[in-house]
Amino acid sequence: AQSVSQHNHHVILSEAASLELGCNYSYGGTVNLFWYVQYPGQHLQLLLKYFSGDPLVKGIKGFEAEFIKSKFSFNLRKPSVQWSDTAEYFCAVNARGATNKLIFGTGTLLAVQP
Amino acid sequence: EPEVTQTPSHQVTQMGQEVILRCVPISNHLYFYWYRQILGQKVEFLVSFYNNEISEKSEIFDDQFSVERPDGSNFTLKIRSTKLEDSAMYFCARIIRGEQFFGPGTRLTVL
Repeated sequence: AQSVSQHNHHVILSEAASLELGCNYSYGGTVNLFWYVQYPGQHLQLLLKYFSGDPLVKGIKGFEAEFIKSKFSFNLRKPSVQWSDTAEYFCAVNARGATNKLIFGTGTLLAVQP
Repeated sequence: EPEVTQTPSHQVTQMGQEVILRCVPISNHLYFYWYRQILGQKVEFLVSFYNNEISEKSEIFDDQFSVERPDGSNFTLKIRSTKLEDSAMYFCARIIRGEQFFGPGTRLTVL
């Protein structure tokens, strides 16, 4: 069965600090990978996605993620966070060519201090 | 960004009561998903619905749950007899070119 692990449950950073949130998945086949963000009081929004091609993908608001197939990882990065990045971040996968249901990680709550 | 609206935004109900949660797409789509998020836990897949039929459901989606498209546009998630543990945020999502776009969710509180 597919599963997704996010190792950091709660991260606190100061503005301008660099961010890296870990995501590992477990699945024997080919996957599509996603990062979603949920700002306080708002719905899930797609930050970025990886389907195929260049394993370094760039998303909105300066975020990027790198797919490392050998490590089953899809870590999210941002070189310099802002207070407005305070939110919960979810990694998700689905199996390519099969069901499109998303399997989510437990989420990482990021608090950026001004 | 493609929009999906959900009603109500917040529903409070007594244990054992039936609730109906609605998902309203902006345009006509055939493929929809329902997820839930219990407070403090991860988002979990409930069911996918394609062309007026359930295409996949999780083990969470037991006989107490049902999905329908009653009027050809809205999608509904019905919980027949709510339990305390059904308290959660319920999200619907539609898929476009492999991406799922989520609605704002309905917060269900079962007392």
